[in-house]
Amino acid sequence: DSGVTQTPKHLITATGQRVTLRCSPRSGDLSVYWYQQSLDQGLQFLIQYYNGEERAKGNILERFSAQQFPDLHSELNLSSLELGDSALYFCASSVALSTYEQYFGPGTRLTVT
Amino acid sequence: GNSVTQMEGPVTLSEEAFLTINCTYTATGYPSLFWYVQYPGEGLQLLLKATKADDKGSNKGFEATYRKETTSFHLEKGSVQVSDSAVYFCALSDRGNNNDMRFGAGTRLTVKP
Repeated sequence: DSGVTQTPKHLITATGQRVTLRCSPRSGDLSVYWYQQSLDQGLQFLIQYYNGEERAKGNILERFSAQQFPDLHSELNLSSLELGDSALYFCASSVALSTYEQYFGPGTRLTVT
Repeated sequence: GNSVTQMEGPVTLSEEAFLTINCTYTATGYPSLFWYVQYPGEGLQLLLKATKADDKGSNKGFEATYRKETTSFHLEKGSVQVSDSAVYFCALSDRGNNNDMRFGAGTRLTVKP
C-alpha cells in the first residue's frame, strides 16, 4: 500500500459526459501528479500540482482540468468525454517539488461507452 | 525532448533464469533514472533509482547502472522468480526541465515455474 488513495476504482460513463476523479496523496506529500495509461499511448504524464499550485503540464487535453485543494487532495476533471479517453488514470504523490520518488495510487479505470 | 526507450515485450523466462530489460534514454538536462514495477491490478511501485552517472540502483535482487556514455539504464536480475511477473517501466526525471517525468512503454515479464 503506497498510502495514495484514489476514488472511484471504476467508472463507466457515456460519450459527452463529465467525470471527476479524486486523489488523496500520502500524508505529508505536497506534490500530486496525474497520469493516463492506455494501451496505445502507454503511460503519459498529464499535470502536476505542488501545494495547491500548478507546476508542470504534460500531454493534458484542454477538455481536462485539475486542481489541488488546501487539504492537498486533488481532483482531475474530464469533460466532453470521448471513447478514446477510456484508460487507467493514476495519481502519484511526492514529498517536495523536486523529489524524484513518486508514490502511485491504485488508479481509476474509466470506460467511456 | 526527453524520452525513454525500452525493449519491447513480452518477455517470458523460466524460474531462476537471468533477466535483462534494456532501457536507453534521451535527455537534454541531468536526469535521474528509475525503474518502476506494476503488478496486475495495481499502481506503479518504485523498484530502484539512480540520480547520477555511474550510480547503481538495487532492490529485491534487481540492479541497474546509470551509464551516461551509452545513455542506458538496463535492468538486471540474476535469478527471477514467478513472483517477479509484472510490467516494468523505465523512467527519467529531468531536474533541468521542471522534473518532467517520462516513462518507457513498459515491458511485460512472465516467469514460468
